Parts: sequence; C-alpha cells; structure tokens
Amino acid sequence: SAVISQKPSRDICQRGTSLTIQCQVDSQVTMMFWYRQQPGQSLTLIATANQGSEATYESGFVIDKFPISRPNLTFSTLTVSNMSPEDSSIYLCSSGDFGTEAFFGQGTRLTVV
Amino acid sequence: DQQVKQNSPSLSVQEGRISILNCDYTNSMFDYFLWYKKYPAEGPTFLISISSIKDKNEDGRFTVFLNKSAKHLSLHIVPSQPGDSAVYFCAASVSPIKGAQKLVFGQGTRLTINP
Repeated sequence: SAVISQKPSRDICQRGTSLTIQCQVDSQVTMMFWYRQQPGQSLTLIATANQGSEATYESGFVIDKFPISRPNLTFSTLTVSNMSPEDSSIYLCSSGDFGTEAFFGQGTRLTVV
Repeated sequence: DQQVKQNSPSLSVQEGRISILNCDYTNSMFDYFLWYKKYPAEGPTFLISISSIKDKNEDGRFTVFLNKSAKHLSLHIVPSQPGDSAVYFCAASVSPIKGAQKLVFGQGTRLTINP
C-alpha cells in the first residue's frame, strides 16, 4: 500500500504566526484529505484537497484560516494561519484512491503558545 | 452533533480473551463503516470495513458486525494479543466508493490487553 510522509511531526508555535504542514504520498492518488484531532476529540475532516482546483471545506472551516494547496497528485500542504491556542491539535493528512481504503500520515502535533 | 459515538473511552481485556469494541451512529445515510487502529505518535491504520449490505465481515482475528436497525456496529478481536493495545476508531461514510470517502469518526476507545 502507499505511504504518506507528513512533516513536521510536531511543532510549537507562537500565537499569531502560521505553520505549513506538508504531505507527500509515494504514489499518485486521486483523493487527499486533511483532518484535525483536538485533544480528547475525534478526527474531524477539515477539507478535501482537489488537484488543479480549490479545496472543498467542511462546515466550520474556511480557506482564510486553513489554506490548502494540491499542486500535483502526490503532494498537498495545509497552512494553519494566524494561530491561537485553540488551534493546538494533531493535524492528519489522509489519502486514498478508488478501490482502496483511506490511509493516513503519522500526523503533526501542533502546540500554540 | 456527534454522528458517530464510541461510548467507552477505554477497555481492558486479558490476553487471549475476546475484545469487543462498540460504536453507534445516528445518520441513517451512512452506508460504509470502517475501523482504524492508532498507536501513539502514528497515524490511524485501516483495520477492517463493512458495507451496509452486509451484517458481518471477518478478517483473521478481527470481525466487524453491523446491526443497521439498531445503528450499531462492533469490532470483535479474538484472541486478543498484547500488540492489539491501541486506540481504536470507528468511522462511517455516506459514499460506498473506497478512497473517495469523507469519513466521520468516533472519539476512539483505548484498548489495553493485559498479560
């Protein structure tokens, strides 16, 4: 099965700054997704990263706060902008292709101070 | 509005016994269900899935049961092994197309297998 490399694995950031998380898949995939897991909570879908077009965001998430890029079929980035302590979470990249179950990167543990 | 619920945050089972993890959902549009396993500092790993047209799917030591009328599914692990100690997430989707699914997750159940 394909492998997702996600980086950084963790970071501690100052409030008001931005962090870009990278997700690299070792094969071309159709679908890429970004999830967030807040402390003690379930994984929540932020957006679907579409190759060649803008990302599709779920209710409660907006492009200005979480801009996403998908320049090709193996790579995506998620930026967490103007961070506050409430953004402290684990951010996970997920990918899949038609006929295979979604698989995940190892996650990025973000702490905002 | 939690559409997928795992009401047991933790479960402790003796090695060799059966582990049963439960999951309830509220959205009747869900027609595909998955279980993921997560170790600390790693991403979730797919374990087993079931389509709504089935009531049981088995893969080695892992069996998932689906009761659509009760909107309930369960994961059975037998026999339980120490390496099964992890957090288990139940997930659901409205799309039957694997890989194209937006997944809705439960809160997870931490399973501990005791020697």
